[in-house]
Amino acid sequence: DTAVSQTPKYLVTQMGNDKSIKCEQNLGHDTMYWYKQDSKKFLKIMFSYNNKELIINETVPNRFSPKSPDKAHLNLHINSLELGDSAVYFCASSLWGVGDEKLFFGSGTQLSVL
Amino acid sequence: AQTVTQSQPEMSVQEAETVTLSCTYDTSESDYYLFWYKQPPSRQMILVIRQEAYKQQNATENRFSVNFQKAAKSFSLKISDSQLGDAAMYFCAYRIAYSGAGSYQLTFGKGTKLSVIP
Repeated sequence: DTAVSQTPKYLVTQMGNDKSIKCEQNLGHDTMYWYKQDSKKFLKIMFSYNNKELIINETVPNRFSPKSPDKAHLNLHINSLELGDSAVYFCASSLWGVGDEKLFFGSGTQLSVL
Repeated sequence: AQTVTQSQPEMSVQEAETVTLSCTYDTSESDYYLFWYKQPPSRQMILVIRQEAYKQQNATENRFSVNFQKAAKSFSLKISDSQLGDAAMYFCAYRIAYSGAGSYQLTFGKGTKLSVIP
């Protein structure tokens, strides 16, 4: 039933490790996003994909690599994790274009780097 | 660049009372959307209310309403008859209507933590 689902919900790992967060949506949307919420609760967009094509790529270290195997999935892979990567990462999806579309968020993945 | 400012890091309200959360934004665009999102302790981002800039009428959703002042670039959220379940972080957000990219890039404020006192 979940519209936008992310796994895992919690991720605790050591500095230097590589980890992935998976995201899937069953809404038939064609655009997916990754947002990052830092320890001060500030939310900022990281990436946006439309039909598997990268559309938005904000100033994010290249240790972060999104991958979209199809329209319904957008995974986030992070190499060489650093302490500053600790945050909550939200996946979201919408329909492409302007107008009355809504943005649907996943429930977030809390990443803790030790 | 667009910016969204929420000047109240924390607010509190007595149960059943009314509270207003402030938001101002800066943009050179004439057509855009404004949003209020609620984030309870569960972390889920929940859309509370949305306003299209071209509409003069203020949006309302049950106990939630906005005061949209386009000239002043102000977009406040009023919560009437506050309930314990309203306690959460509230984020104001902005989206340009015609980005040219067609995607939903939201610019968020830093949030206001609302406490509801029984």
